[in-house]
Order: sequence, then C-alpha cells, then structure tokens
Amino acid sequence: RKEVEQDPGPFNVPEGATVAFNCTYSNSASQSFFWYRQDCRKEPKLLMSVYSSGNEDGRFTAQLNRASQYISLLIRDSKLSDSATYLCVPDTGRRALTFGSGTRLQVQP
Amino acid sequence: DAGITQSPRHKVTETGTPVTLRCHQTENHRYMYWYRQDPGHGLRLIHYSYGVKDTDKGEVSDGYSVSRSKTEDFLLTLESATSSQTSVYFCAIRTGPKDTEAFFGQGTRLTVV
Repeated sequence: RKEVEQDPGPFNVPEGATVAFNCTYSNSASQSFFWYRQDCRKEPKLLMSVYSSGNEDGRFTAQLNRASQYISLLIRDSKLSDSATYLCVPDTGRRALTFGSGTRLQVQP
Repeated sequence: DAGITQSPRHKVTETGTPVTLRCHQTENHRYMYWYRQDPGHGLRLIHYSYGVKDTDKGEVSDGYSVSRSKTEDFLLTLESATSSQTSVYFCAIRTGPKDTEAFFGQGTRLTVV
C-alpha cells in the first residue's frame, strides 16, 4: 500500500459549489497532517496544517479520521481561483516527507 | 518568507554531462529536501538532509548524489545526466513551530537532450 494516496481527479465543479476530496495514509503513527496547494508550474504552498482532529480556515475545512486513516479537505463556495492541485502529506515523525500525488480541482464559471 | 532559493532556475544540458543544482537557505533550518516532479507522478523524494554531512536517500535516488557541507546549502548532482532525468526539481526545508511544515523553493526546470 502506498504511504499516501489521493484521487487524482480532476474534480470539475461550478463556481459556488462545495467540493471535498480525501487523502488516505498508511502509517498509523502519523500525528500531524498538511494540505498544500500547487498551481500549474509553480511550487507547492502550505494551505492548512492539522494537528488534532481538524482545522478550519475560512472556506476551507480539513477533517481527520484516524480510525479510517484518511484526512479530507472541504472547500465551500468554490472560486475560480481555487483551481489548482491539492497535495496532502502526513508527518510520521520520520525525517522523510512523502507527499501524495495530488488531486486536481478545476472550478468552472 | 523562509528565504530559500534554487539555482539555476532553468537548464538545458546534454546526455552524459554532469549537472549540479543548488538549494540555498538563509535561516539555518536543519531539514532540507530534494524532490522531482513529473506529470502523473506527483512529488517524489530524491534525497534529504538532517544537517551538515547527514544525508539519506529517498524513493528515487538512483543516478543522483547530494552534498551538504554547510547548513545553508544542499547540492544535488546528476553525475551523468540522462533524458529520464528531465524534470522539475524542487528543494524544500522544514519550518514552523514544530519543524514540520515544508516550504519550497521555486523549482529548477531541467531538460536533458
């Protein structure tokens, strides 16, 4: 099983929609989790950190389900500018950082 | 801004030539990473470092070597470049209150012809 798995998408949604995608992880020792946003041909940038059961920042909510070993990202009221690839990475406490391959979101007018 | 720069930003090189990419940071972060990103593969870890002269291999380390003789610099070397190493290379450091959050350089676009 891969260390981190994400549905590659693309998720095509209209403006204003709510969209959610999941990231599953295999290492149950993972304590904290991170969502990154990557625009085309740019470097990934930190979107949200999750150190407990979840986190909320404006239109973005991350929820952690430790029993099923996945973390979700919910985006409400989608904007055109939300179009990007979203990467997740669990922090397992090891030195290496392994990213998921990302979920592509395309918000359409 | 975590003060991380990559050089060069773009490079075209010929098969069989050595290539060195540089990652420079200004804030004495311990962890530094090199990733490559290709369509359909996401970010794949090549090598990483925990400190001066302390490096380890990632999942796609074959054909690459690294060196970290100073805290601020992490060098990635392709000893003999191949076309399969054409990619975008990202350097990252770990920052944040628990040294867990990654911050990336702008990337180096390498083409091997």
